[in-house]
Amino acid sequence: EDQVTQSPEALRLQEGESSSLNCSYTVSGLRGLFWYRQDPGKGPEFLFTLYSAGEEKEKERLKATLTKKESFLHITAPKPEDSATYLCDHLRGGTSYGKLTFGQGTILTVHP
Amino acid sequence: NAGVTQTPKFQVLKTGQSMTLQCAQDMNHNSMYWYRQDPGMGLRLIYYSASEGTTDKGEVPNGYNVSRLNKREFSLRLESAAPSQTSVYFCASGWVGELFFGEGSRLTVL
Repeated sequence: EDQVTQSPEALRLQEGESSSLNCSYTVSGLRGLFWYRQDPGKGPEFLFTLYSAGEEKEKERLKATLTKKESFLHITAPKPEDSATYLCDHLRGGTSYGKLTFGQGTILTVHP
Repeated sequence: NAGVTQTPKFQVLKTGQSMTLQCAQDMNHNSMYWYRQDPGMGLRLIYYSASEGTTDKGEVPNGYNVSRLNKREFSLRLESAAPSQTSVYFCASGWVGELFFGEGSRLTVL
């Protein structure tokens, strides 16, 4: 069954301590992989779409990369305001086209 | 530009009562979604509509019905509310996986 798995479940960083979040997938024929950020009490906010291995996208301190088996969300010199839950999922095809489900994600906490 | 608008933002129901959560988007998106989120848990997809005139079940559809009224509006109905449906409900719309979420509707069932 096509699925994505995120790790770690939680990550605590000191301000300025760079790290990466992982989203591994077993999808055959990836149509798109998406990263979102969710702050407590709010709906998720779209960050990136990646379509093919080798693709990279950046936004401020975040950079998303994609290989044939996984995607990484690299956070460079994080700040406390980067604290949030980060979610990934992939675009499904066939009769489930458009269906987007989210796992628990990675809870990132950045301490000052 | 309002984006995705959900009403009501807060609601308290008694067990067995019915209610409808309304969602409207002004971004001309084909796809619309209803999710629920419980404390300490991730988002769970209730129903989605890939395009006007179609609806499909998500992960947790039991106890809910939906109506895609037109391209802009997608409503979620609880016919007989149960305490297990106490949750925060998010509506979203989007295109090819890029979703925009509403502010959420906080529902308490007593």
